[in-house]
Amino acid sequence: GNSVTQMEGPVTLSEEAFLTINCTYTATGYPSLFWYVQYPGEGLQLLLKATKADDKGSNKGFEATYRKETTSFHLEKGSVQVSDSAVYFCALRALGGATNKLIFGTGTLLAVQP
Amino acid sequence: EAGVTQFPSHSVIEKGQTVTLRCDPISGHDNLYWYRRVMGKEIKFLLHFVKESKQDESGMPNNRFLAERTGGTYSTLKVQPAELEDSGVYFCASSQVFYTEAFFGQGTRLTVV
Repeated sequence: GNSVTQMEGPVTLSEEAFLTINCTYTATGYPSLFWYVQYPGEGLQLLLKATKADDKGSNKGFEATYRKETTSFHLEKGSVQVSDSAVYFCALRALGGATNKLIFGTGTLLAVQP
Repeated sequence: EAGVTQFPSHSVIEKGQTVTLRCDPISGHDNLYWYRRVMGKEIKFLLHFVKESKQDESGMPNNRFLAERTGGTYSTLKVQPAELEDSGVYFCASSQVFYTEAFFGQGTRLTVV
């Protein structure tokens, strides 16, 4: 079946450090891939997405590239800020089927220290 | 435009009691989804409404959970009777058409003691 595996947290970084959060997936066909973010006290927000192989999603300085050969969608940011502290969820949406449901990973808590 | 709104934001109930969660989707969004995150694990799909019809309820854990969407507007998710393992954060999301982006609410944190 379809599944998402992402690195366990928490991830603690100093401000301006480089961030990588690993995400790999298992799916039949060619799913769409997403990163969602949940800031403290807020709901889930779509951070970025990619719908086909080699696509790069980007937003707010974050990037992730859809790698079909490694079934990965790792999230990266060159220089994190304290305001990036949040829980990050990798997710996929499989094509076909009767529903548009998302399949999420376990989430990775990022704490950025000044 | 108002986003997806969920009520209450927090609920603490005793085991065996009943709780009803409410979700108001973005106006005009026919698709409504319920998800939950239990004990810091992955966010899991519960069910999907298209207007007032249940399109997919494959994620509903058992018959203690009842979801409704009368009139195709807001939705309720009732847990009766609640068990300890039902504790978690329940998210609602809505989308305008089938394969467009789903917008999430802030979630309801349910604690069963």
